[in-house]
Amino acid sequence: EDKVVQSPLSLVVHEGDTVTLNCSYEVTNFRSLLWYKQEKKAPTFLFMLTSSGIEKKSGRLSSILDKKELSSILNITATQTGDSAIYLCAVGFFSGTYKYIFGTGTRLKVLA
Amino acid sequence: SAVISQKPSRDICQRGTSLTIQCQVDSQVTMMFWYRQQPGQSLTLIATANQGSEATYESGFVIDKFPISRPNLTFSTLTVSNMSPEDSSIYLCSGGRQISSYNEQFFGPGTRLTVL
Repeated sequence: EDKVVQSPLSLVVHEGDTVTLNCSYEVTNFRSLLWYKQEKKAPTFLFMLTSSGIEKKSGRLSSILDKKELSSILNITATQTGDSAIYLCAVGFFSGTYKYIFGTGTRLKVLA
Repeated sequence: SAVISQKPSRDICQRGTSLTIQCQVDSQVTMMFWYRQQPGQSLTLIATANQGSEATYESGFVIDKFPISRPNLTFSTLTVSNMSPEDSSIYLCSGGRQISSYNEQFFGPGTRLTVL
């Protein structure tokens, strides 16, 4: 059965801390791994990682894909209260049609 | 990022009624999907909306309950039929845009549905 697992489920840190969020997957015909930030309703796209792009960075956020370990990490440095959100990992794969499966999410709370 | 709009943004409905949610995407999008996010849960794929043909449903979702149309490349509707309180969720439309041989996925603003 295809699945995506994220850890930890929730995390509370103080401003300025660095956090590492984990995503592991078991899918057939893996194509891509996507990270999203969800604050209210709609998830906001952060990164897409693929076999040809295993590392991405944008400001204080960075992500790496480990295809050998079937996992990815999302790092956030110098956290701010505005980083408080649910972070979702989704894996794109081909199973008759191209689709995505989402992990459970990590709820991050950054305290001032 | 692709531009995706969705309406209504929220609705409160009575048990036994139906609601149709509309999703409009820009022309960069090739694939369209519908998801459900129940309270405190992650996103679950309902179906892939196929242009001009029947949607491809995931296990646990059926056309009679969630009929989907996609009459053209940039527009799709999802109907939640014969609603019950268990259908109270956020319903999200997403669009997939092909970048090289990969696909980025972007979400619409979502519809928050409450069934009384």
